[in-house]
Amino acid sequence: NAGVTQTPKFRVLKTGQSMTLLCAQDMNHEYMYWYRQDPGMGLRLIHYSVGEGTTAKGEVPDGYNVSRLKKQNFLLGLESAAPSQTSVYFCASSYSGQDTEAFFGQGTRLTVV
Amino acid sequence: GENVEQHPSTLSVQEGDSAVIKCTYSDSASNYFPWYKQELGKRPQLIIDIRSNVGEKKDQRIAVTLNKTAKHFSLHITETQPEDSAVYFCAARYNKLIFGAGTRLAVHP
Repeated sequence: NAGVTQTPKFRVLKTGQSMTLLCAQDMNHEYMYWYRQDPGMGLRLIHYSVGEGTTAKGEVPDGYNVSRLKKQNFLLGLESAAPSQTSVYFCASSYSGQDTEAFFGQGTRLTVV
Repeated sequence: GENVEQHPSTLSVQEGDSAVIKCTYSDSASNYFPWYKQELGKRPQLIIDIRSNVGEKKDQRIAVTLNKTAKHFSLHITETQPEDSAVYFCAARYNKLIFGAGTRLAVHP
């Protein structure tokens, strides 16, 4: 039982390049979330999903797209990376959207140069 | 939109003192309020949570209180120890899980 796993752990991109971050969970959770963490700004919600085939915008969705084709996977895409997207990205999942614990992945450190 | 405000942003205490972190939320539909601890370079981990039908919850040295009418909740850590030093985040949820900006707690021996 691996919990929540993010791939890759580190990445350096050039401005304008694209990439996809993968989040995989093996806990049969319905809800999945993508956050970015910047110094002094806490965890800001990018997009989230309430079940397979669904996605919704969070607090800072611009410049990102997501897909949830399979229940266990939640993909975060950057179509044209910008230096402002340099951050640590965390994925999380929970059994429901109400009163159940959200478990986090180990994070992906992304640098855009 | 939904918002969670957290204060203070930094907190420095002496070992053995108490620490209190306060949060307010804007979405009255929020019904679940977790607190996470994040150590340097690691992922956030849940330390305690409270549901909207409960006013207070305690787990050893940590406790959380919730005032739904005022839309604020607080984390209390008693008898602080150096290993309590970390960043603490409050959050509020109704589908979306929205976090506060965090409190950096330093416990000095």
